[in-house]
Amino acid sequence: NAGVTQTPKFQVLKTGQSMTLQCAQDMNHNSMYWYRQDPGMGLRLIYYSASEGTTDKGEVPNGYNVSRLNKREFSLRLESAAPSQTSVYFCATQTPGRSNIQYFGAGTRLSVL
Amino acid sequence: KQEVTQIPAALSVPEGENLVLNCSFTDSAIYNLQWFRQDPGKGLTSLLLIQSSQREQTSGRLNASLDKSSGRSTLYIAASQPGDSATYLCAVIKTQFYFGTGTSLTVIP
Repeated sequence: NAGVTQTPKFQVLKTGQSMTLQCAQDMNHNSMYWYRQDPGMGLRLIYYSASEGTTDKGEVPNGYNVSRLNKREFSLRLESAAPSQTSVYFCATQTPGRSNIQYFGAGTRLSVL
Repeated sequence: KQEVTQIPAALSVPEGENLVLNCSFTDSAIYNLQWFRQDPGKGLTSLLLIQSSQREQTSGRLNASLDKSSGRSTLYIAASQPGDSATYLCAVIKTQFYFGTGTSLTVIP
């Protein structure tokens, strides 16, 4: 039972390159989230998906796109990477109802040069 | 917009001490509050969830309290151990999660 799995763990890009961060969960949760974590700023929500087939913008969506491929998978795409997107990216799932607990993947550390 | 603050940003204590981490938030209309632990280079691990109708939750040596009216939560760690060294984050939950910037705890053997 892996929980939330993110790939890759590390990535270095040049400005303008594109890439997709993958997230898969085996917890059968409907809700999935993408956050970025930057020093001194806490975690900020990029996009989320309340269920398969739906996605919504969070606090900092500019420069990103997402796809909820199926219930298990939620990917984050950088079409043209910028140095400001250097960060640690976390995927999370959430239990249903009001007792909402989030479970996190191990993160993807991205550097854009 | 909900603002979540954690003070201090860093804390260093000798092994065996009891300690309190603080979390404050600006909007008291929350559903729940969750405390997480983050080890270096790792993701977040849920420690405790307090629902808005509750005043506290306990798990082992951890006790979290919630005072919605004053916009505050505390995480009490009893008899600290070196293995407790990590960053502790709180998140207040309404329609989405709002995270604090965390308190980095070092427990010195």
